[in-house]
Amino acid sequence: AQSVSQHNHHVILSEAASLELGCNYSYGGTVNLFWYVQYPGQHLQLLLKYFSGDPLVKGIKGFEAEFIKSKFSFNLRKPSVQWSDTAEYFCAVNARGNYQLIWGAGTKLIIKP
Amino acid sequence: DGGITQSPKYLFRKEGQNVTLSCEQNLNHDAMYWYRQDPGQGLRLIYYSQIVNDFQKGDIAEGYSVSREKKESFPLTVTSAQKNPTAFYLCASSIATRGNEQFFGPGTRLTVL
Repeated sequence: AQSVSQHNHHVILSEAASLELGCNYSYGGTVNLFWYVQYPGQHLQLLLKYFSGDPLVKGIKGFEAEFIKSKFSFNLRKPSVQWSDTAEYFCAVNARGNYQLIWGAGTKLIIKP
Repeated sequence: DGGITQSPKYLFRKEGQNVTLSCEQNLNHDAMYWYRQDPGQGLRLIYYSQIVNDFQKGDIAEGYSVSREKKESFPLTVTSAQKNPTAFYLCASSIATRGNEQFFGPGTRLTVL
């Protein structure tokens, strides 16, 4: 069965620190990859996505993610975090042509001011 | 404004009662989804519908039922057979041809007393 693994359930950083959240998936075929973010009290919203092409994708608010096919990974990065990045982050994977998204358990990120 | 609305935001029910959660979208999306979100478990798919009058079970459909009589609406009924119904419920929609990027509503928090 397909699965998505997010290695860190809780991450605490200080402002201006660099961020990397890990995401690995298990599926051998072609995939679409997503990072979603859920800010406190807000809707779950798309941060960035990868369908094809350049494996380094840029999203909103200075986030980026790199798809490494050989490692089945899609890690999220941000060079300098802000207090407003405090949120829960979810990685999701969709097998091409399938309606279902498979979700990771989420990572709660807390940024200390 | 285009989007997904879910009502109510908070819902309280007594054990043994069925309850229906509303989800409406005006994005003209064909596909709609219901997820359950529990702390530390990510999103788990309850049901999804690709087209009017058709729907499929997700990973945790037991104790839930849905209908899709109109493209815009996808209500979820939490029945008394659901053993642990207290949770946060999210509705989403997508255009399958766009890599299944899903758009989310604000959610309904159901508490069964």
